[in-house]
Amino acid sequence: GESVGLHLPTLSVQEGDNSIINCAYSNSASDYFIWYKQESGKGPQFIIDIRSNMDKRQGQRVTVLLNKTVKHLSLQIAATQPGDSAVYFCAEKETDKLIFGTGTRLQVFP
Amino acid sequence: DGGITQSPKYLFRKEGQNVTLSCEQNLNHDAMYWYRQDPGQGLRLIYYSQIVNDFQKGDIAEGYSVSREKKESFPLTVTSAQKNPTAFYLCASSTGGGRDTQYFGPGTRLTVL
Repeated sequence: GESVGLHLPTLSVQEGDNSIINCAYSNSASDYFIWYKQESGKGPQFIIDIRSNMDKRQGQRVTVLLNKTVKHLSLQIAATQPGDSAVYFCAEKETDKLIFGTGTRLQVFP
Repeated sequence: DGGITQSPKYLFRKEGQNVTLSCEQNLNHDAMYWYRQDPGQGLRLIYYSQIVNDFQKGDIAEGYSVSREKKESFPLTVTSAQKNPTAFYLCASSTGGGRDTQYFGPGTRLTVL
């Protein structure tokens, strides 16, 4: 399949453990943030989003935390499964564009 | 892939040839985008269009061209002026406006021989 990143930061977790993927963003004026999941050879898939007037948002097995003070975003995945193995990107909205981070590879071991 | 199609999935071309990548969406989205992805890097914006018959350059527009004659279609041409065209190309669309969640197609892997 398509390699989406040969030298990405990698997080390795055991199946069933919780995963935390971190992202630092650059623009303090950004008001909207998104997490995407990209499996090998596929396009990015929307996971969850958050607006800047919130600190936390929960989805199914995923939680996004936003710390505007330090411009930090995190994605928490509960009870990580083998199907969660992928590259995860954060994105911040800047005027009419999204600015993407370089991504983190999540590897799940049995 | 949410109603966004890109074709073909794999494309091979000889150096010096122009090639056009297809992107179609049936989501009734106003905005469409083209990104390039290389190993070890995130997505880089090539061109985007917020409305029919209008488009703007992204961060790496040199060597590329686009058109937006129809709302559902946003083809990307990789010209011979693009010095390193081999990459994974991703198309996305969104409703536009303040929320602007972008939904992606499956991508086209272009290899220039």
